[in-house]
Amino acid sequence: DTGVSQDPRHKITKRGQNVTFRCDPISEHNRLYWYRQTLGQGPEFLTYFQNEAQLEKSRLLSDRFSAERPKGSFSTLEIQRTEQGDSAMYLCASSKSRGGYEQYFGPGTRLTVT
Amino acid sequence: ELKVEQNPLFLSMQEGKNYTIYCNYSTTSDRLYWYRQDPGKSLESLFVLLSNGAVKQEGRLMASLDTKARLSTLHITAAVHDLSATYFCAVVFGNSGYALNFGKGTSLLVTP
Repeated sequence: DTGVSQDPRHKITKRGQNVTFRCDPISEHNRLYWYRQTLGQGPEFLTYFQNEAQLEKSRLLSDRFSAERPKGSFSTLEIQRTEQGDSAMYLCASSKSRGGYEQYFGPGTRLTVT
Repeated sequence: ELKVEQNPLFLSMQEGKNYTIYCNYSTTSDRLYWYRQDPGKSLESLFVLLSNGAVKQEGRLMASLDTKARLSTLHITAAVHDLSATYFCAVVFGNSGYALNFGKGTSLLVTP
């Protein structure tokens, strides 16, 4: 198993465009998390899935953000009408269901909004 | 609102020296995590501390948790250059019990 993977690794977009990121968790992990990290800061929680159910969303997740995990495997995070303030590293993590406290992070997708 | 504060935010230390990074949090939490991040890289899990008095060690790093004081420490013994990185602590919050709230991180530089 190669760990959590994310695609793309880098994305440059113009303000107002929509972008979508993908996360593939470790295969036996049924919990999946999205975080956002800006330069010089710790990651900020965005949302959490257990299987296909989205169980928690941060207030940071505005109406322009939507996340899905339709079959309980990979997940997508879409940002509509991007703003310059959306520029950040978007990190995905996953963990096991039983005793799975440790969250394993993927390499991240770096978004730059111009 | 749960606040997680790390101290210091920047640390420059000589190889061979010992030092401690502190992590305070403002409300009760079930678990505390320590992560390492190298520049431009993602986060690497170091420790998960599950109970009061928990102590875990890996190589030159030792982490402990005092839930009554809402304090965790990451102790570095005989630092080496390879330990240079940013270290984050995080605690769980929210209704699900799985969302992590991170501190700002401690940027550690180990010099010869």
